[in-house]
Amino acid sequence: KNEVEQSPQNLTAQEGEFITINCSYSVGISALHWLQQHPGGGIVSLFMLSSGKKKHGRLIATINIQEKHSSLHITASHPRDSAVYICAARNTGNQFYFGTGTSLTVIP
Amino acid sequence: EAGVVQSPRYKIIEKKQPVAFWCNPISGHNTLYWYLQNLGQGPELLIRYENEEAVDDSQLPKDRFSAERLKGVDSTLKIQPAELGDSAVYLCASSVRGGAVGNTGELFFGEGSRLTVL
Repeated sequence: KNEVEQSPQNLTAQEGEFITINCSYSVGISALHWLQQHPGGGIVSLFMLSSGKKKHGRLIATINIQEKHSSLHITASHPRDSAVYICAARNTGNQFYFGTGTSLTVIP
Repeated sequence: EAGVVQSPRYKIIEKKQPVAFWCNPISGHNTLYWYLQNLGQGPELLIRYENEEAVDDSQLPKDRFSAERLKGVDSTLKIQPAELGDSAVYLCASSVRGGAVGNTGELFFGEGSRLTVL
């Protein structure tokens, strides 16, 4: 059993659509991280959150600690948003548990 | 501020040859991670350092893999001898351990070292 589960595994959207990627985790966390990896590129940190909601531009991340669930939303999606989005749970011992990623393709 | 620096970016070797990867974390980051990433998969931990101490190396194949982080700053990961199945991207990441003043807790990755074993 994976400590972090993401859904969907693959997602194709039309440009402009609202996108949601879900993450459920089973470990106790100190923080939940959302990461982005473009094809052939490095991994970039998008958000780190331990409660509530954070927003950067068109990206919004939310977390429900009681339900052990987080979501990443992209508003007005654009082809440049095409990437793999990875959810990672960090415990108090500084260990990270990674989801297998959601591959997003935004079609013009 | 410089990010996590890794070298080389690409390495092609024949099986049974040795290979080494180098990582320089962000200045002041006491936690350093080496991950392995296969195509279409998430990162898999190889080893985690807190300063110069390897605190989690349970997933490191110690018969052929070794790592060191002398002086608690930069780190090297070595494979000797390399096997075909070692072809992957080797990622280094760093962060500040929780509790430190000004700790954002974010995880910063290097660009990775892509290894191809022929």
